[in-house]
Amino acid sequence: DQQVKQNSPSLSVQEGRISILNCDYTNSMFDYFLWYKKYPAEGPTFLISISSIKDKNEDGRFTVFLNKSAKHLSLHIVPSQPGDSAVYFCAAYYNAGNNRKLIWGLGTSLAVNP
Amino acid sequence: SAVISQKPSRDICQRGTSLTIQCQVDSQVTMMFWYRQQPGQSLTLIATANQGSEATYESGFVIDKFPISRPNLTFSTLTVSNMSPEDSSIYLCSVLFGGGQHHFGPGTRLLVL
Repeated sequence: DQQVKQNSPSLSVQEGRISILNCDYTNSMFDYFLWYKKYPAEGPTFLISISSIKDKNEDGRFTVFLNKSAKHLSLHIVPSQPGDSAVYFCAAYYNAGNNRKLIWGLGTSLAVNP
Repeated sequence: SAVISQKPSRDICQRGTSLTIQCQVDSQVTMMFWYRQQPGQSLTLIATANQGSEATYESGFVIDKFPISRPNLTFSTLTVSNMSPEDSSIYLCSVLFGGGQHHFGPGTRLLVL
């Protein structure tokens, strides 16, 4: 069963502090992971990704960590800004026969308070 | 990246009617995708629209309910047919660029009464 789980539906942090969004996956066949951000009335926008051959990828304030043994990845935002308030989706690819499938989590709503 | 637009941005429809959603991309792309996000749910892929061939539908979605057109490399339509309240959702089109990254349109919010 291929699932991507974001167990925290919401998260609230203070401006300037670190935001940590978590994602778990159920199957070691997932090999590429992405984070998207979604504002209301807009489509999701790509943030950052990581391949299963790496354990960390950094882009400015955003860092994704991958722990393959735990089947867990996390997105760190440092420092958090009010404009980061959005829904964050974790997504992951796996090989399904001749196709690659992209599975999405339910999302975590982040609120960054001034 | 690409600029992706969708029409309409939102609509309220009566059950039993059909709605066609348009997706326009500002560059030529091979594959376009149609997603649905129902209330409280994650994104679910409906189908992949390939130019010059039939769309490929995911399990649980059929062409009679969600017919798709892909007349050229920059445009696609998704029709939601014979609508019921369960079809109330956000419908999103996306295109795929290098690195497996989907770029999404702004979405179409559909409410079926």
